[in-house]
Amino acid sequence: AQRVTQPEKLLSVFKGAPVELKCNYSYSGSPELFWYVQYSRQRLQLLLRHISRESIKGFTADLNKGETSFHLKKPFAQEEDSAMYYCALPSPEGDYKLSFGAGTTVTVRA
Amino acid sequence: DAGVTQSPTHLIKTRGQHVTLRCSPISGHKSVSWYQQVLGQGPQFIFQYYEKEERGRGNFPDRFSARQFPNYSSELNVNALLLGDSALYLCASSPRQTGANVLTFGAGSRLTVL
Repeated sequence: AQRVTQPEKLLSVFKGAPVELKCNYSYSGSPELFWYVQYSRQRLQLLLRHISRESIKGFTADLNKGETSFHLKKPFAQEEDSAMYYCALPSPEGDYKLSFGAGTTVTVRA
Repeated sequence: DAGVTQSPTHLIKTRGQHVTLRCSPISGHKSVSWYQQVLGQGPQFIFQYYEKEERGRGNFPDRFSARQFPNYSSELNVNALLLGDSALYLCASSPRQTGANVLTFGAGSRLTVL
């Protein structure tokens, strides 16, 4: 069965410092991976997906099939990046079902 | 469009009771999915409905059931509530059956079971 692991529950960085959120996965086949974000008092929303290869709000994520990782990175963290971040991947049977990691809470300090 | 709307936002029940949670998808979206998010964990898939038919089911007991109506709104029902059912229940809609990446989530219904 597919599985998503986010090893860090909490991550605290200073404003302007780089931030990297780790995500490892187990999956049979070629996965499509996503990062979802939940800002304080807001709904869970899609941040980015690896297939689009785009940078959203300065964040990028590269799929590393050899290491089965999909880490989320931003070179210069901002206070508004403080949020809960979830890595997710669809089921091998069909991509209607998402499996989420446990999430990482990011706090960016001034 | 108000986005995905869920009701009620909060509710408290006691063990053994039954609960019904409601979800209205974004206009034009035909797929509705339900997720359970226990405190400190990521959302867990419960059901997906598309065109009023169940298309997927997660690893949840038969006490959990759902349905989708002709207007694509959906209900999640949980019978014989247990303390462990306390969670945030999220509804998400998407335009089509596949393509989980285009899920739009509602704000959730927070259920507390005493």
